[in-house]
Amino acid sequence: NAGVMQNPRHLVRRRGQEARLRCSPMKGHSHVYWYRQLPEEGLKFMVYLQKENIIDESGMPKERFSAEFPKEGPSILRIQQVVRGDSAAYFCASWDPGTGPYNEQFFGPGTRLTVL
Amino acid sequence: AQTVTQSQPEMSVQEAETVTLSCTYDTSENNYYLFWYKQPPSRQMILVIRQEAYKQQNATENRFSVNFQKAAKSFSLKISDSQLGDTAMYFCAFKDSNSGYALNFGKGTSLLVTP
Repeated sequence: NAGVMQNPRHLVRRRGQEARLRCSPMKGHSHVYWYRQLPEEGLKFMVYLQKENIIDESGMPKERFSAEFPKEGPSILRIQQVVRGDSAAYFCASWDPGTGPYNEQFFGPGTRLTVL
Repeated sequence: AQTVTQSQPEMSVQEAETVTLSCTYDTSENNYYLFWYKQPPSRQMILVIRQEAYKQQNATENRFSVNFQKAAKSFSLKISDSQLGDTAMYFCAFKDSNSGYALNFGKGTSLLVTP
């Protein structure tokens, strides 16, 4: 009964490169959230997806960031032309909405992105 | 917009003692959900306890309990018989239907349990 998996756990990129973060939800979960945690801060919502559909991307920066959750395979958060301010821990959480909003979102271990 | 405020950036407690972490939130909704998460140095987010707003009874999970004051929009966490393994960041979080049930987190309280 694998939990939420994220890879890589650590990612180092130079300014201007692309970062691609992957999240595999818990078995049977078709919804994922992505959150960003800046140093010394709480987690901030970025985007909410279900398979093949973006439900809410109100927390995503307007430029350089995109997310997808294809029918097959993991959800991917893509950051193009990274800048130092993108350095953060990125968490995904999976959820089964059929269980109701009271039920928890299960978090992955996070990907720590460092931009040099 | 909903906001979650944790007014104690850092707290310290001796082993076996009791500590209370405060959290206030702001919302115009009547039904919502509140959570406390623990984040140890490993950075893994661990659910500690949760509360539905329409339930008046305070939630309890072993050594962890909450004091939910709906009118005051307050949701404090009490840790009894503190253990060294409780040392971590603690985040209060809120969600409702307006946010697509995304969690809205406070900035966290760093708790240190000392021997």
